[in-house]
This record gives sequence, structure tokens and C-alpha cells, in this order.
Amino acid sequence: GENVEQHPSTLSVQEGDSAVIKCTYLDSASNYFPWYKQELGKGPQLIIDIRSNVGEKKDQRIAVTLNKTAKHFSLHITETQPEDSAVYFCAASRAGGGADGLTFGKGTHLIIQP
Amino acid sequence: KAGVTQTPRYLIKTRGQQVTLSCSPISGHRSVSWYQQTPGQGLQFLFEYFSETQRNKGNFPGRFSGRQFSNSRSEMNVSTLELGDSALYLCASSLDARAYEQYFGPGTRLTVT
Repeated sequence: GENVEQHPSTLSVQEGDSAVIKCTYLDSASNYFPWYKQELGKGPQLIIDIRSNVGEKKDQRIAVTLNKTAKHFSLHITETQPEDSAVYFCAASRAGGGADGLTFGKGTHLIIQP
Repeated sequence: KAGVTQTPRYLIKTRGQQVTLSCSPISGHRSVSWYQQTPGQGLQFLFEYFSETQRNKGNFPGRFSGRQFSNSRSEMNVSTLELGDSALYLCASSLDARAYEQYFGPGTRLTVT
């Protein structure tokens, strides 16, 4: 099975509403969980991350929560705007510096309806 | 500060040929990782280099190889290209051996015909 499962694969929300994307990981040794936003023709952009010693982190309209016991982590976007439309990826790793490599979810295509 | 740069941006090769892709990390960053992105398999880790040493490698055949130079620039090579190697190849840099954050370049789009 997948080491990192991501749901949903497509999410359509009205502009101004909130969007939530959820991921589950299998490796209990994972301790770093970044989220990336990828726009068409571009590389993934790091938008927020969380480490296993923290339960929640917020940056303006974006927040990430982590439940280590359930091995779940989620991305929350509030007051969505048209520029939030993109593909979002969650990822997990066990070490810093890229030594372990990031394991990615399959991605969520977020569509903001005007 | 300039971001991660990758060259070339687009490449078309024929089956059986080999290809070399280049990556320049963010200035001051010393760790470089490579990933392959395809519609079917998503983003998959290829390998990571720090101080000119490969520290980790993903589950890819030996046709995929790489190296890192003393200025932290990195190259990856794919020999005996197959149609399934068509993908977006992404390079990511990290500050050092312990920094968690990885920053991606725009990628090289490789098409194998």
C-alpha cells in the first residue's frame, strides 16, 4: 500500500469557504510533515510544515494539524481565494537534510469556484 | 536570493539514448535531492547528495545515477532511456545535512520517444 495516503484527490470549494486536505502516514518513525503547492508548469512550493513535536502550526490563512497517535495530518485553508487553485501535496520524512527523502501523497487538485 | 535552477527545462530524447540533467541549488545550500514526477506514480525520491556523497537512494534501477560537485551543483544521468522514463525531474535543495526544509526547482521535462 501507499506509505502516505492523501484525500480527497479533487476538492472544489466556493471562494471564501474553507478547504481541508487530509493525509495518513504508515511509518511511525516519520517526524517531519511538509505541504507543497504546485501550479501548472512549476515545481512544488513549500507552503507550511510541521514537526512531530508540535500539534498545530498556523501561517495566516493556512494551518496544519498533526495527530501522531492516529498518524494523521491535515492542511486547512481558510477564506479561499482564486489564487489558491493548484495541486497540493503532503509528504513525510524521517530525517532532515533530505537524507531520508520525502514520501509524497498522490496530491489534491483544489479548485476554487468564483 | 535566487532559487533552485535546473537546465535544460525541456528535453526530447530517443529510446536507448542517455541524458544528463543539471541542478544548481540555492546559494549556500549544500544538500541536493532529485525526484521524478509522473501522472501515474506521482512524486518519487531518486537520490540525495551532501558534500559530494550520495547519502540515500530511492527504488530506481541502476540506469539512474547522479553526482554532486564541490560547489554543490548536481547532475543526474539516465542511461539507456526507456519510454517510461518520460517525466518531470525535480531537484530540491536543503541548507545542510540537518535542515528539514526542501526547496524545489522548476524541473526538467524529459520526453522519450
